[in-house]
Amino acid sequence: AQKVTQAQTEISVVEKEDVTLDCVYETRDTTYYLFWYKQPPSGELVFLIRRNSFDEQNEISGRYSWNFQKSTSSFNFTITASQVVDSAVYFCALSETPYSGAGSYQLTFGKGTKLSVIP
Amino acid sequence: EAGVVQSPRYKIIEKKQPVAFWCNPISGHNTLYWYRQNLGQGPELLIRYENEEAVDDSQLPKDRFSAERLKGVDSTLKIQPAELGDSAVYLCASSLGFGTVNEQFFGPGTRLTVL
Repeated sequence: AQKVTQAQTEISVVEKEDVTLDCVYETRDTTYYLFWYKQPPSGELVFLIRRNSFDEQNEISGRYSWNFQKSTSSFNFTITASQVVDSAVYFCALSETPYSGAGSYQLTFGKGTKLSVIP
Repeated sequence: EAGVVQSPRYKIIEKKQPVAFWCNPISGHNTLYWYRQNLGQGPELLIRYENEEAVDDSQLPKDRFSAERLKGVDSTLKIQPAELGDSAVYLCASSLGFGTVNEQFFGPGTRLTVL
């Protein structure tokens, strides 16, 4: 069964600090997808990134960057020079491929990390 | 382009009453999902539709929950009767194409409180 662990329940940083949100996953599939979503106080989940298991290249998008390491089953998310608008709950999620059997379409979320950026 | 629309945004009911949630996905999105998000947890899938067909409802508590997606567009999720443990946020999402490998777009959710 697939599982996503976000060990950090809450993190507080001062504005302009860098912060890394950890994500560790478990899956028996060799082909899978990893996601990060942001959930601001308004409640709507916002897609940030999707990464497939064959692409271990790190990705940078503005102040956001992602570090995917299959050797440690981790997909960590770093925000550089954090801003107050980054305050939200961030979810890491895992999806196995459609060919792996029952429940394979299920998007499994971690419990989320609540990030508070203090001005 | 309009996003996923859900209504109502908030609902407070007493236990044993029925309740229904409505979702209108993004135009053209043929896959629709209903999730339940308990406080302090990540969303958990309840049911997934491909067009009008429910292709994964393994986690839907069928004794009290039901869902429909007539005509393969908007969808309704119903609980009858509601229990205290049903208090949660119910999220609807949609995606283009089939399978969760596609980006899912989420609505704002309906926050249900059962007293």
